[in-house]
Amino acid sequence: GAVVSQHPSRVICKSGTSVKIECRSLDFQATTMFWYRQFPKQSLMLMATSNEGSKATYEQGVEKDKFLINHASLTLSTLTVTSAHPEDSSFYICSARGRGVMEAFFGQGTRLTVV
Amino acid sequence: AQKVTQAQTEISVVEKEDVTLDCVYETRDTTYYLFWYKQPPSGELVFLIRRNSFDEQNEISGRYSWNFQKSTSSFNFTITASQVVDSAVYFCALSGLSGGYQKVTFGTGTKLQVIP
Repeated sequence: GAVVSQHPSRVICKSGTSVKIECRSLDFQATTMFWYRQFPKQSLMLMATSNEGSKATYEQGVEKDKFLINHASLTLSTLTVTSAHPEDSSFYICSARGRGVMEAFFGQGTRLTVV
Repeated sequence: AQKVTQAQTEISVVEKEDVTLDCVYETRDTTYYLFWYKQPPSGELVFLIRRNSFDEQNEISGRYSWNFQKSTSSFNFTITASQVVDSAVYFCALSGLSGGYQKVTFGTGTKLQVIP
């Protein structure tokens, strides 16, 4: 399958700071990227969908000013958690899909801990 | 609205036993895709299979097999002769035409533990 690389895999940040997570498609052009959040022992909840070159579409209940998503190129999307708080601690995972392809391939995920 | 139910939260089996993971879905779409993903302890999601709603043929891939029953809205996953490396959380997921196949709805996952 296609390769999606997510970085960093783990990050610890202080409350009030911002942290950026990168999601890269290494061997295909990702026309659509998705960002999910997963709480311990729970399912993946879609946060937002982004298409290259356009603004992200956020799911209901997700604060777009807090979770900034940028999909500036066909191989890179970033999620910035702004003014992080301990309740933002979670596992964030991205997926990417190419044009005309049904499967979305997932990154390795990022475990964010806000202290 | 889409919904995926994985009623089994956790399953433990002894190595070499067969195990079936259940998945029941709800959708108003007549065209949709069903998926299974594996999430090992490391966290990444590994794609296992995609099934189109028009294709009800069962599929076998090595020790893995999938049973798609449209009449009961189920897409069950069987691992034959389970191995310790199969220990992971398995997610069933659904993507429908009404969402442009963009939105994937995941079940809550089934944690499989294979005991040596």
